[in-house]
Amino acid sequence: DVKVTQSSRYLVKRTGEKVFLECVQDMDHENMFWYRQDPGLGLRLIYFSYDVKMKEKGDIPEGYSVSREKKERFSLILESASTNQTSMYLCASSRRDGGEETQYFGPGTRLLVL
Amino acid sequence: DQQVKQNSPSLSVQEGRISILNCDYTNSMFDYFLWYKKYPAEGPTFLISISSIKDKNEDGRFTVFLNKSAKHLSLHIVPSQPGDSAVYFCAATGSGAGSYQLTFGKGTKLSVIP
Repeated sequence: DVKVTQSSRYLVKRTGEKVFLECVQDMDHENMFWYRQDPGLGLRLIYFSYDVKMKEKGDIPEGYSVSREKKERFSLILESASTNQTSMYLCASSRRDGGEETQYFGPGTRLLVL
Repeated sequence: DQQVKQNSPSLSVQEGRISILNCDYTNSMFDYFLWYKKYPAEGPTFLISISSIKDKNEDGRFTVFLNKSAKHLSLHIVPSQPGDSAVYFCAATGSGAGSYQLTFGKGTKLSVIP
């Protein structure tokens, strides 16, 4: 079974704080992704990585950065949290499979920025 | 511009009946399609997928149909059960180098009434 874990299920932070969200997968997947999910907007891709130390911007990268120092770990960083970053954050991973890549998701982190 | 559209934000079905969730796409490069199920406060769970070389894929109570000419796919759940009540996301991707991303629809909330 694929397992994707996220460091926290719930987080409360103050405006301006630096926030780290950690994601670990145990299936040796090459690709890892960070999304946010907001009501009525579906899943929006923030950043993804297809290899260690590689990163690509998704649809909404502003206000976020990422780090991938090891294959199994992908971190999302909010440099200075703002209230509009209150959301559900979802990490996913997938194998590089020539196009038919199923992404497997972690349980999510619900972040509240006050 | 939304490349994957789920035009029904919600759907209610009686237990035991068929649930049909619809999804339309605009990008003709998409050739692999997935359905995910999501409960509140949890990450999406992969449900079923279909490649563009097929027009139907079945897994137990779940069947996905693909109509390439209409750029339309649907998920059928028969018979529907109360535990199927969740948000369902349709997703699509294209083959070829670098196509690691999934494009998601905004989701359809299914309520199965006992």
